[in-house]
Amino acid sequence: KQEVTQIPAALSVPEGENLVLNCSFTDSAIYNLQWFRQDPGKGLTSLLLIQSSQREQTSGRLNASLDKSSGRSTLYIAASQPGDSATYLCAVRDSSYKLIFGSGTRLLVRP
Amino acid sequence: GAVVSQHPSRVICKSGTSVKIECRSLDFQATTMFWYRQFPKQSLMLMATSNEGSKATYEQGVEKDKFLINHASLTLSTLTVTSAHPEDSSFYICSARTSGGNEQFFGPGTRLTVL
Repeated sequence: KQEVTQIPAALSVPEGENLVLNCSFTDSAIYNLQWFRQDPGKGLTSLLLIQSSQREQTSGRLNASLDKSSGRSTLYIAASQPGDSATYLCAVRDSSYKLIFGSGTRLLVRP
Repeated sequence: GAVVSQHPSRVICKSGTSVKIECRSLDFQATTMFWYRQFPKQSLMLMATSNEGSKATYEQGVEKDKFLINHASLTLSTLTVTSAHPEDSSFYICSARTSGGNEQFFGPGTRLTVL
């Protein structure tokens, strides 16, 4: 059974810092991995999607990497801003094509 | 980008009543829709998957007679929580995917509070 773990569960950083969020999954047989952002009481916003054949994807200040063989992904946020404060969710599309979510990392960027 | 809407965004009801939540894909045809629930500070848990015109497939532990799902058209799916109880209070999020699509698009969620 695929399990997705995110570390840390919560993170507080001062504005301007670069930071890394971690995601690990137990079964490397995945179709793709996706990072989402969720603001309190809101739905999900897709940030980056990495296909299983890809190593990384970039969008603006965000960079996501994927090491399928070791079951790891990282989300790198450069020059963090208070507006980046949210919960970041990692999800893998497993062999049954279901999207399996991690429990998220709650990020607070302090002004 | 693809847009998924949910209605209502928030609902409060008395214990024992039924509540219907609608999920619509606004600018694409969703052959497959998904319903998730999320408890506070927890991740999304898949409840069921529905394909247009077919019966929904429920995840283990989800009562199909309690959570009725209808996917009657390519743009609309509904989730009805029957005889709701306080433990059903949660954040319900729907998601939609096109035929052969690689990505799922998520709705804004519905906050259900059962008194």
